[in-house]
Amino acid sequence: ILNVEQSPQSLHVQEGDSTNFTCSFPSSNFYALHWYRWETAKSPEALFVMTLNGDEKKKGRISATLNTKEGYSYLYIKGSQPEDSATYLCASSTGNQFYFGTGTSLTVIP
Amino acid sequence: EADIYQTPRYLVIGTGKKITLECSQTMGHDKMYWYQQDPGMELHLIHYSYGVNSTEKGDLSSESTVSRIRTEHFPLTLESARPSHTSQYLCASSEGASGRAIGELFFGEGSRLTVL
Repeated sequence: ILNVEQSPQSLHVQEGDSTNFTCSFPSSNFYALHWYRWETAKSPEALFVMTLNGDEKKKGRISATLNTKEGYSYLYIKGSQPEDSATYLCASSTGNQFYFGTGTSLTVIP
Repeated sequence: EADIYQTPRYLVIGTGKKITLECSQTMGHDKMYWYQQDPGMELHLIHYSYGVNSTEKGDLSSESTVSRIRTEHFPLTLESARPSHTSQYLCASSEGASGRAIGELFFGEGSRLTVL
């Protein structure tokens, strides 16, 4: 079983603030790193799929970076909005399955 | 947009009952998965399938069973529910038939099971 850790566990920010979360994973035998956004009562939806060391991906105000050599990924949200409130999950793969972290719960206060 | 459906969304049932959680996808994906999540914990893989008539157990031991008779359908069954089975069960699918887990997972909305 792979140990994937996310921090912080929860975060409250004011509307307009920028924020970032961390996902750490074992760097050996790395295949892929995923970020998912999970809103209450909905299904998790993929934000980013990253496979290469140094990958940087962006979708609107959200971006992510990947360092496979040291085993971490950062997710950044610029100018947080109330609709960004959700749990953000990361998942790492070293083979035939994904291992998930416990997620970072983000609350954006209007 | 993902097209993967789970029923029921919520189920409260007594100990000893047999239950089946349904999962269907219309994307033609070969790979399908069942994850279990307890509150505050990670998603844990309990079963997966790479195609019709292929099923494997995940790392988390589970008393449930699965079947894959059709590509689009991946039901999970508990023969005799117990309070320890109370949890949220998420179904997912992804493209590709190879053994490598790389592609994006498409999730259903989950089935929240409570066993009294």
